[in-house]
Amino acid sequence: DAGVIQSPRHEVTEMGQEVTLRCKPISGHNSLFWYRQTMMRGLELLIYFNNNVPIDDSGMPEDRFSAKMPNASFSTLKIQPSEPRDSAVYFCASISLAYTGELFFGEGSRLTVL
Amino acid sequence: AQSVTQLGSHVSVSEGALVLLRCNYSSSVPPYLFWYVQYPNQGLQLLLKYTTGATLVKGINGFEAEFKKSETSFHLTKPSAHMSDAAEYFCAVTQQGGADGLTFGKGTHLIIQP
Repeated sequence: DAGVIQSPRHEVTEMGQEVTLRCKPISGHNSLFWYRQTMMRGLELLIYFNNNVPIDDSGMPEDRFSAKMPNASFSTLKIQPSEPRDSAVYFCASISLAYTGELFFGEGSRLTVL
Repeated sequence: AQSVTQLGSHVSVSEGALVLLRCNYSSSVPPYLFWYVQYPNQGLQLLLKYTTGATLVKGINGFEAEFKKSETSFHLTKPSAHMSDAAEYFCAVTQQGGADGLTFGKGTHLIIQP
């Protein structure tokens, strides 16, 4: 089975540009999480969805960040406008709530904002 | 609220020596506990997990961890380090079987000396 698929793997953009990160969770998983990883702050939970519904977005740093999950097989994380401090690795992870807690992670999207 | 503390951002051991990575957690209810490993430029991979039952859990690559409620600890060990064990290791906790995501520690970078 395919794992969690993220795209793009690498993104370099200039300050002020819009960035869209994409995630396809594992088929059958009903919860999806977006994490951000930086050297300074480690792994931070940004937002998560259960059955496509956003449950907790308290980790989203600012209004410049938004996330959607229009269906069970696709989610996006958008940053508009982007800033240099948004540079990080963004991970998507999914889980089946029928099982005991293991999150399956994608390979991550490395974002560099110049 | 839940939290994880990993003692030591960097741990260096000789090849063949014992590996001990420390993790202490805080949780108001019985936790589920995890260790993940991250190799350079990759996502996080589950090493092992504790949910209920036996407090000594075995994972992949020869790693094991013991849940000690009285010490609120979940330390990771491996009897004999291998060069391929060099990576970043994360301890994580959840209180709701993963439904609200995992809270991660800051990570420990394991260095293996030849």
